[in-house]
Amino acid sequence: EPEVTQTPSHQVTQMGQEVILRCVPISNHLYFYWYRQILGQKVEFLVSFYNNEISEKSEIFDDQFSVERPDGSNFTLKIRSTKLEDSAMYFCASRSWVSSYEQYFGPGTRLTVT
Amino acid sequence: SQQGEEDPQALSIQEGENATMNCSYKTSINNLQWYRQNSGRGLVHLILIRSNEREKHSGRLRVTLDTSKKSSSLLITASRAADTASYFCAPEDAGGTSYGKLTFGQGTILTVHP
Repeated sequence: EPEVTQTPSHQVTQMGQEVILRCVPISNHLYFYWYRQILGQKVEFLVSFYNNEISEKSEIFDDQFSVERPDGSNFTLKIRSTKLEDSAMYFCASRSWVSSYEQYFGPGTRLTVT
Repeated sequence: SQQGEEDPQALSIQEGENATMNCSYKTSINNLQWYRQNSGRGLVHLILIRSNEREKHSGRLRVTLDTSKKSSSLLITASRAADTASYFCAPEDAGGTSYGKLTFGQGTILTVHP
C-alpha cells in the first residue's frame, strides 16, 4: 500500500543552523501539508501546498520557514535559522484530490534543537 | 478551519469492552474525520463521515454524526490492546476554502488493558 515517507527520522541541530526535512508524498496526490507536534501538545497545522504554491499557512509558518517541491516527488520543509522552540515532531501529509478529504501522514521527523 | 473538541480526555477500559468517544464542533461542516495516533507516531486516518450521513461503519469502528447537535461519536467495539492510542476528530468546514487544513484538538487518550 502506498505510504508517505519522511527522512530523516531524527535530526539534531544547533540553534541558528538551517535544517531541511524531507518528505515523499504518495505519488498521485495533489495536496501536501506540514504539521508539527511539540512534545505533549496537540498536532498543529503549518502549511498546505497545492499546484506548486502555498495555499494556506499558519501563524507559526513565519519567514524562517519555507517549503518546496523541487522535483515532482519530494516535498521539503526548510527552517532557515532554528530556535530551541522549533524542537518538535514534524509530520508531512498528502491528499489525493479535491473531493477526497482523507490525509495520509508520514511517520514524522523528530527535530531536536540544542 | 474549526477544531473539534474530544471527550473524554482519557478513557481506560479492558480488552473486549467497547470504547466510545465523542467530538463536538461549532459551525456547519462538509464532513468530519477521525484519526488515530499511536504514541510519537504519525496520524492514521480511520473514517470519514459526510454531513448528509448519520452513521458509518468500518470494521470494528462505528461513527455517528448528529448535525443538529454538532456532535459525532466514535465507537470501537471489542477493543484490543493494539487500539491503545490517541483519537482525534477533524471537522471540515462547510463552504470553506481551507485546502483541507486539519485542526486537531487534544484528543481522547484510549488505554486498553489486556
